[in-house]
Amino acid sequence: DGGITQSPKYLFRKEGQNVTLSCEQNLNHDAMYWYRQDPGQGLRLIYYSQIVNDFQKGDIAEGYSVSREKKESFPLTVTSAQKNPTAFYLCASSKFTGGADTGELFFGEGSRLTVL
Amino acid sequence: AQSVAQPEDQVNVAEGNPLTVKCTYSVSGNPYLFWYVQYPNRGLQFLLKYITGDNLVKGSYGFEAEFNKSQTSFHLKKPSALVSDSALYFCAVRDTNSGYALNFGKGTSLLVTP
Repeated sequence: DGGITQSPKYLFRKEGQNVTLSCEQNLNHDAMYWYRQDPGQGLRLIYYSQIVNDFQKGDIAEGYSVSREKKESFPLTVTSAQKNPTAFYLCASSKFTGGADTGELFFGEGSRLTVL
Repeated sequence: AQSVAQPEDQVNVAEGNPLTVKCTYSVSGNPYLFWYVQYPNRGLQFLLKYITGDNLVKGSYGFEAEFNKSQTSFHLKKPSALVSDSALYFCAVRDTNSGYALNFGKGTSLLVTP
């Protein structure tokens, strides 16, 4: 079945450590996104990528980094510079047709990061 | 900037009654609007979208939404609520400044009681 796989589902990190969250999709989607979810704040965009080897900062990119070396993969690194990294992280993808009816976002099941 | 607002943090409804979850939008140009549902510790599931055309949009699990341009609203509705509809609901609008990313509201928690 096609879909988006995020791993790990739960992750614990000590302060000062970098951690990388994996996101893989087999939907043949062009665009991929990372969102952060905090209680009562909805989802906030961290980074997005519309094509391989290109990505753009979203609203809250500070303290995060990404790469897009393959169409299927869009890993997110939470660096030690991120001051409050404990959150639920969601990866999504969409078919980027360039037309008005470019499809909706498909989401993975999320990764919950807790900083100890 | 393209944005949506969900004025209610929580909506309570009895099973079998109709439900409405409210959303208003603020956009320049034509709005592309979406509704998603999230169950605890899960990802978001797409319910429906409005791109153009008929103002009444039908989606998954019996949900529908009405686009109202004069009131800048896109309320989610269901004629008869189920206990299993209890979840967190997000309204979203496409952000033309961030590729095809979506800007989400803060979410509305729906509780359907037996």
